[in-house]
Amino acid sequence: NAGVTQTPKFQVLKTGQSMTLQCAQDMNHEYMSWYRQDPGMGLRLIHYSVGAGITDQGEVPNGYNVSRSTTEDFPLRLLSAAPSQTSVYFCASSFDRANTGELFFGEGSRLTVL
Amino acid sequence: AQSVAQPEDQVNVAEGNPLTVKCTYSVSGNPYLFWYVQYPNRGLQFLLKYITGDNLVKGSYGFEAEFNKSQTSFHLKKPSALVSDSALYFCAVSTARQLTFGSGTQLTVLP
Repeated sequence: NAGVTQTPKFQVLKTGQSMTLQCAQDMNHEYMSWYRQDPGMGLRLIHYSVGAGITDQGEVPNGYNVSRSTTEDFPLRLLSAAPSQTSVYFCASSFDRANTGELFFGEGSRLTVL
Repeated sequence: AQSVAQPEDQVNVAEGNPLTVKCTYSVSGNPYLFWYVQYPNRGLQFLLKYITGDNLVKGSYGFEAEFNKSQTSFHLKKPSALVSDSALYFCAVSTARQLTFGSGTQLTVLP
């Protein structure tokens, strides 16, 4: 099993450009989520999904879109990148839809917006 | 709203000494509490969780955590620290499908 796979690992964008961070898991987990990690602020939840076709907003959803067409994939879209979105992004999944179980994290995607 | 506080940005301890990383939480209802560890340039890894039952929870790599409801705390402990324990540690609380993390504590174990 590969676990949670994120691509790309590094990306540099110019302000206003769009891009998609990919996340795939091969553990048949129902729950998937996206976090951003910024120094001194820990991890903040952007969006999450409790199953295919179901998504919801987290703590910091503005500027980001998600979709969940399959159980395996949960892409994160930046429609118009801003310097404030410079961060490290983590995708995480759990077998437990209520999110009371262990979260499995990807290796992270480091995004720089100029 | 739920929240987690890790009052120490940095904890230094000598190898072989006991270590404690502090965490306090604020949540309505019964909390689900977690500790995760992050090594440089890696994703977070699960260490342990408290759902219900015994207040002392044992986890991976010899770590344990003590749940104290009256003090709303969930401190991470290890009886004898290793240099390889040096990493960034996060406390988290889960309710209503959202996991809220603290700001993290950098643990450095000195040889």
